[in-house]
Amino acid sequence: EVQLVESGGGLVKPGGSLRLSCAASGFTFSSYSMNWVRQAPGKGLEWVSSISSSSSYIYYADSVKGRFTISRDNAKNSLYLQMNSLRAEDTAVYYCARAPPLSQLFDYWGQGTLVTVSS
Amino acid sequence: AIRMTQSPSSFSASTGDRVTITCRASQGISSYLAWYQQKPGKAPKLLIYAASTLQSGVPSRFSGSGSGTDFTLTISCLQSEDFATYYCQQYYSYLWTFGQGTKVEIK
Repeated sequence: EVQLVESGGGLVKPGGSLRLSCAASGFTFSSYSMNWVRQAPGKGLEWVSSISSSSSYIYYADSVKGRFTISRDNAKNSLYLQMNSLRAEDTAVYYCARAPPLSQLFDYWGQGTLVTVSS
Repeated sequence: AIRMTQSPSSFSASTGDRVTITCRASQGISSYLAWYQQKPGKAPKLLIYAASTLQSGVPSRFSGSGSGTDFTLTISCLQSEDFATYYCQQYYSYLWTFGQGTKVEIK
């Protein structure tokens, strides 16, 4: 069974940093692109960042470019999102999501972790 | 970025109704269109990809159609568990974008 479990969310002050993790199991993690998708309270879904299976290709939404860094450790079956210079508008539930090969849709999602940016 | 616009934003329906949700892309995306269902407090769930292919395990009352810029999600006979918010997503080109969502509520 595919499982994605996020952790690392919490309350942080504006300008602060946070590192999210996503632990994957039930599939060959090193064969799949992985993504972060977020959802602000009461709002819709926003794709944040994507990393290819071997980390060769990395993409960011304009809203986080230069502040967030996606990475992965295939030996640990783990995905990460380092978030710096956080703003109030970054407040959201952050989901990690798997993309099937040769595609950028999201076939499995974690349960999400809440990041709140507030003073 | 390709803009995805869903209509309506919300509506009320009854169990047993046939419902249709529309998604329009700001430029052609071929059939690179997915639909997701999200219930309150839960992660989204993939329903349909490639505009019309049902994800494994999704009931056959769900169907999708369209190509280019105009797409529809149809639920042929609404069940109680289908009351949720539905999102379309284009995966034709980076930046991958979602529609704003359509909330299906109980009448």
